[in-house]
Amino acid sequence: DSGVTQTPKHLITATGQRVTLRCSPRSGDLSVYWYQQSLDQGLQFLIQYYNGEERAKGNILERFSAQQFPDLHSELNLSSLELGDSALYFCASSVEQVSNDDEQFFGPGTRLTVL
Amino acid sequence: EDQVTQSPEALRLQEGESSSLNCSYTVSGLRGLFWYRQDPGKGPEFLFTLYSAGEEKEKERLKATLTKKESFLHITAPKPEDSATYLCAVQAIKAAGNKLTFGGGTRVLVKP
Repeated sequence: DSGVTQTPKHLITATGQRVTLRCSPRSGDLSVYWYQQSLDQGLQFLIQYYNGEERAKGNILERFSAQQFPDLHSELNLSSLELGDSALYFCASSVEQVSNDDEQFFGPGTRLTVL
Repeated sequence: EDQVTQSPEALRLQEGESSSLNCSYTVSGLRGLFWYRQDPGKGPEFLFTLYSAGEEKEKERLKATLTKKESFLHITAPKPEDSATYLCAVQAIKAAGNKLTFGGGTRVLVKP
């Protein structure tokens, strides 16, 4: 158990809908990261937040957005869903923004299925 | 652009049969190379971080090594419980934030 929690575990929805994925980082971790894992693309970085502020953006679609709240939990919002958005979405957390020994610890993931 | 290539894509081993996984990388200044283990349907589990060429780290039957262009994960006398997908990732010095760039992984199956 990494200490990172994600809800829900599974999500099934229809095209065009909007969903929210939730992540609670390990106690004491200030950075939260979101990654998408699909069969054809592998594990891809989406976005990072540090202590409530956006720090880095990857290949995140404009239909996707995220935020980190004062209690450090984070939410990833996916809207106008398409079939191709079906994937595993992982949240990871780490202690600091930039430092050595700043390993990222991953949650169990949310499996999103868009029908 | 940072790139990570892992080989082979899949590896079938007999219990006790040692082998090595390769991770080749291209990055504009390496800050760290990370190895993770992932079981089906679960999140990646952190194994090692390597920072400089020549560095080695060990954990049970696993040993990771790093050169300037690649990293190896050696599995010594594997057991069936070592079956998993092993992921390699790099973090660049100039990367925005602490972004990790992952390779496609090596699926390892250890048969008893």
